Amino acid sequence: GENVEQHPSTLSVQEGDSAVIKCTYSDSASNYFPWYKQELGKRPQLIIDIRSNVGEKKDQRIAVTLNKTAKHFSLHITETQPEDSAVYFCAANTGGFKTIFGAGTRLFVKA
Amino acid sequence: DTAVSQTPKYLVTQMGNDKSIKCEQNLGHDTMYWYKQDSKKFLKIMFSYNNKELIINETVPNRFSPKSPDKAHLNLHINSLELGDSAVYFCASSHNSGQMNTEAFFGQGTRLTVV
Repeated sequence: GENVEQHPSTLSVQEGDSAVIKCTYSDSASNYFPWYKQELGKRPQLIIDIRSNVGEKKDQRIAVTLNKTAKHFSLHITETQPEDSAVYFCAANTGGFKTIFGAGTRLFVKA
Repeated sequence: DTAVSQTPKYLVTQMGNDKSIKCEQNLGHDTMYWYKQDSKKFLKIMFSYNNKELIINETVPNRFSPKSPDKAHLNLHINSLELGDSAVYFCASSHNSGQMNTEAFFGQGTRLTVV
């Protein structure tokens, strides 16, 4: 079955710096890759997603890249702000009824 | 308007008890899920339902029994609760169209504590 690995587990950056979170997946049939942000005590919420027919997608300070050959995808946050502090999850889906999540990255943005 | 709502938000109960968590979505989605999030924040899928039919059961103990009376509701009943069941349980829903999936919308979570 699908397996998603996510690194790092914890990331601490200074406000204004960039943050990069990386994920790998095992099932080459995966075609949908969402990223979720979970603030303390809240529900996970989608921040950006990418499909397998696209290599890169950007939304303001957030971008995601996908390398299908290497089965890697990454989240890039530029000009980080304290409110970006949260747990971020990558996920992969093969188009079926199961989205597999990475283990999460706890991002701390220091003011 | 809450898109995916689950109740209760907090549940504290003794070992051996039976409890239920309810979930409802008003997004018109055809697929609903239960996820378990442990103390290390790992989100693990438990069940997936599509149009009221069980699609995925991720080797969850049979003490956990989901029920979907219609495609807007997916409830979770847990028998004989154990200490290891303590976690946050998230309900979610999404739309599946053929082989295309869309984002999952999560409920606010139910923090279950078994004492």
